[in-house]
Amino acid sequence: QQPVQSPQAVILREGEDAVINCSSSKALYSVHWYRQKHGEAPVFLMILLKGGEQKGHDKISASFNEKKQQSSLYLTASQLSYSGTYFCGTDYTDKLIFGTGTRLQVFP
Amino acid sequence: SAVISQKPSRDICQRGTSLTIQCQVDSQVTMMFWYRQQPGQSLTLIATANQGSEATYESGFVIDKFPISRPNLTFSTLTVSNMSPEDSSIYLCSVEVLAGYGYTFGSGTRLTVV
Repeated sequence: QQPVQSPQAVILREGEDAVINCSSSKALYSVHWYRQKHGEAPVFLMILLKGGEQKGHDKISASFNEKKQQSSLYLTASQLSYSGTYFCGTDYTDKLIFGTGTRLQVFP
Repeated sequence: SAVISQKPSRDICQRGTSLTIQCQVDSQVTMMFWYRQQPGQSLTLIATANQGSEATYESGFVIDKFPISRPNLTFSTLTVSNMSPEDSSIYLCSVEVLAGYGYTFGSGTRLTVV
């Protein structure tokens, strides 16, 4: 029951926006978002709890629709530092299951 | 957030041998998690380690192949036993210090089996 992310890959120019989607076949109680740079461990970005509240982190924000069992990550005015692989994570019974991942590349 | 020291950072091992990976956390945590990440893939949960009880393994992972120890609230080890080239991967430990503040990961162990 691994969450499915789309798209699998995104290529952007600096300043462009992107949306990454995460969809689960199981009911969601919370959604995590992480970014992993090549050769490094994943780094926590934000968590969204049941209730649909949109969270923000600099120019990165996310939404959570528990009815649709989906979450979306919004990257605004992308910077070179945004490059990496983004994973959503769903917290099933006190353990984190990662989504399939979305590779984001930002070019000057 | 927690700081996790994971050792070794990388190793090249002969098939048939075993490797033990250690994770030390700078604060006490109830559960520690072990993940595997194959090249270009997502992270797959191997098992959850609770102090004082047997680890809980995910489907496809068994204790004989991946024995785990959790002697106290700040330390855990994962052993990869009787290794084959298919075990070549990155192994990461992780903790959630406080609910709602995300998971913190060790720097990972890059294992190559030859």
